[in-house]
Amino acid sequence: EDKVVQSPLSLVVHEGDTVTLNCSYEVTNFRSLLWYKQEKKAPTFLFMLTSSGIEKKSGRLSSILDKKELFSILNITATQTGDSAVYLCAVDTYNFNKFYFGSGTKLNVKP
Amino acid sequence: NAGVTQTPKFQVLKTGQSMTLQCAQDMNHNSMYWYRQDPGMGLRLIYYSASEGTTDKGEVPNGYNVSRLNKREFSLRLESAAPSQTSVYFCASSEIGAEETQYFGPGTRLLVL
Repeated sequence: EDKVVQSPLSLVVHEGDTVTLNCSYEVTNFRSLLWYKQEKKAPTFLFMLTSSGIEKKSGRLSSILDKKELFSILNITATQTGDSAVYLCAVDTYNFNKFYFGSGTKLNVKP
Repeated sequence: NAGVTQTPKFQVLKTGQSMTLQCAQDMNHNSMYWYRQDPGMGLRLIYYSASEGTTDKGEVPNGYNVSRLNKREFSLRLESAAPSQTSVYFCASSEIGAEETQYFGPGTRLLVL
């Protein structure tokens, strides 16, 4: 059964802390792994990862994929209250373009 | 370019009532999806359509039907709503084979009493 598992389910940190969010997956016909940030409404895209070992960065956020061990991490450095959100991991497959989502990690950044 | 649009934004139904959620995209994408999101459950796929004229069941299809009316539109129908279908529903679209992600609509919040 195809699945995507995220950990931790929730996290509370203080501004300035660094956090690491985890995503592991077991799917057939893997194509890419995606990270989304969801605040109050629809998820917004952060990163798409297709190759192992290549870090993608956007400001204070970075992510890397390990296709051998079947996981990805999302790092956020110097967290701000605006980073408070649910972070979703999804895996895209070649199975008719089906995506599989994890249940998300809820991040709460306190001032 | 509006992206993915959904109507309605909010809806309250009584148990047993029926309704259709509408979704349209103007990005010429082949693939479209319907998800539901419940607290702590992340997004769960209800149905998807890989291309115009095809639809397939996702993880939680029971109680729903879909129609891929044309390339732009993908509707989700609840024939006899149940309280367990209270959720937020997201429509999304993507393009097969492209270095792209899914684009999501703003969501429809549905309450079934």
